[in-house]
Amino acid sequence: DGGITQSPKYLFRKEGQNVTLSCEQNLNHDAMYWYRQDPGQGLRLIYYSQIVNDFQKGDIAEGYSVSREKKESFPLTVTSAQKNPTAFYLCASSSTGGLGNYGYTFGSGTRLTVV
Amino acid sequence: AQSVAQPEDQVNVAEGNPLTVKCTYSVSGNPYLFWYVQYPNRGLQFLLKYITGDNLVKGSYGFEAEFNKSQTSFHLKKPSALVSDSALYFCAVRGNTGGFKTIFGAGTRLFVKA
Repeated sequence: DGGITQSPKYLFRKEGQNVTLSCEQNLNHDAMYWYRQDPGQGLRLIYYSQIVNDFQKGDIAEGYSVSREKKESFPLTVTSAQKNPTAFYLCASSSTGGLGNYGYTFGSGTRLTVV
Repeated sequence: AQSVAQPEDQVNVAEGNPLTVKCTYSVSGNPYLFWYVQYPNRGLQFLLKYITGDNLVKGSYGFEAEFNKSQTSFHLKKPSALVSDSALYFCAVRGNTGGFKTIFGAGTRLFVKA
């Protein structure tokens, strides 16, 4: 079955530690996205990528980094510069062909907690 | 700039009654509008979308949404609510100019009581 796989499902980070969240898709989608979800705040865009080897900052990129070396993969690193990283992180992908009127396919999310 | 508003944090409805979850938007050009549903500790699932054509769009699980251009609204509806419809619902909008960013509303929590 085609879809998006996020791992791990739960992740614990110590103070000052960098951690990397994995996102892999086999949908042949060109675009991939990372969102952060906090209670009562909906989804906020961290980074997005429309094509391999290119990505753009979203609304809350500070303290995060990404790479897009392969079409299928869009890992997110939460660096020690992110002072409040505890949240639910969602990866999504979409096609960019035609009118670009496609919805997103989401992964099941990674819940990151600072300990 | 694009924006989307879901004016209700929570909607309560009795099982079997009709439900409406409200959404209004602001976008340059013609809008692409979407509804998603999220169950606890899961990702969002696509419900339906409006791109063009008939203002009433039908989607998954018996949900439908009505596009109203003059009121810039895209309310989600279902004629008869089920307890299993209880979840968090997100409206999203994307304009047809400039990039592929989609803006999500803050979400509305739907409680369906048996």
